Amino acid sequence: GAVVSQHPSRVICKSGTSVKIECRSLDFQATTMFWYRQFPKKSLMLMATSNEGSKATYEQGVEKDKFLINHASLTLSTLTVTSAHPEDSSFYICSARGPAGQGMNTEAFFGQGTRLTVV
Amino acid sequence: GQQVMQIPQYQHVQEGEDFTTYCNSSTTLSNIQWYKQRPGGHPVFLIQLVKSGEVKKQKRLTFQFGEAKKNSSLHITATQTTDVGTYFCAQSPRAGSGYALNFGKGTSLLVTP
Repeated sequence: GAVVSQHPSRVICKSGTSVKIECRSLDFQATTMFWYRQFPKKSLMLMATSNEGSKATYEQGVEKDKFLINHASLTLSTLTVTSAHPEDSSFYICSARGPAGQGMNTEAFFGQGTRLTVV
Repeated sequence: GQQVMQIPQYQHVQEGEDFTTYCNSSTTLSNIQWYKQRPGGHPVFLIQLVKSGEVKKQKRLTFQFGEAKKNSSLHITATQTTDVGTYFCAQSPRAGSGYALNFGKGTSLLVTP
């Protein structure tokens, strides 16, 4: 199956700093990637849809100025948590659905996730 | 997007017992997918169901899609400790790579030897 690589897997940062998380599709091109947030023992909450070459689409209640998304190429999307605060501590996961036309456009492939701790 | 409700939230079984998790929607679903997330890991795709009444099997796992396409279930026969994890159902408005998945809240399965 397709591989989505997310980096870093863990990061600890100080309050007020910014953190960038990268999500790469290694063996396929992803015009669309998705960013989720997961609290402990909870489900995945969609934060935003990242579209290559255009602005991301944010879900209701997600601050676009706080969670900056850039999808500059067909294989890379980045999520930057700006001016992080302890309440931003969470597990962030990116995903991409397989490319259309290759029988892979049904399932979602997930990155390994990034555990962010803001102290 | 469409909301999918999943029950139970937790299930603790002895190894060898069966396990079932259910996913329900108030509206007709175009499809349903199932994912497994091991503790500390990321979700991994298990299967997609599309047709009314569809039943698919993967070894000890049996997936069903209801006749009305409003509910789905995942049944594990004779659980093993390797089955531990959280099982999520998920759906998207339609097929295609541009649509995000809406996840149920998941069922966390704990299997004790």
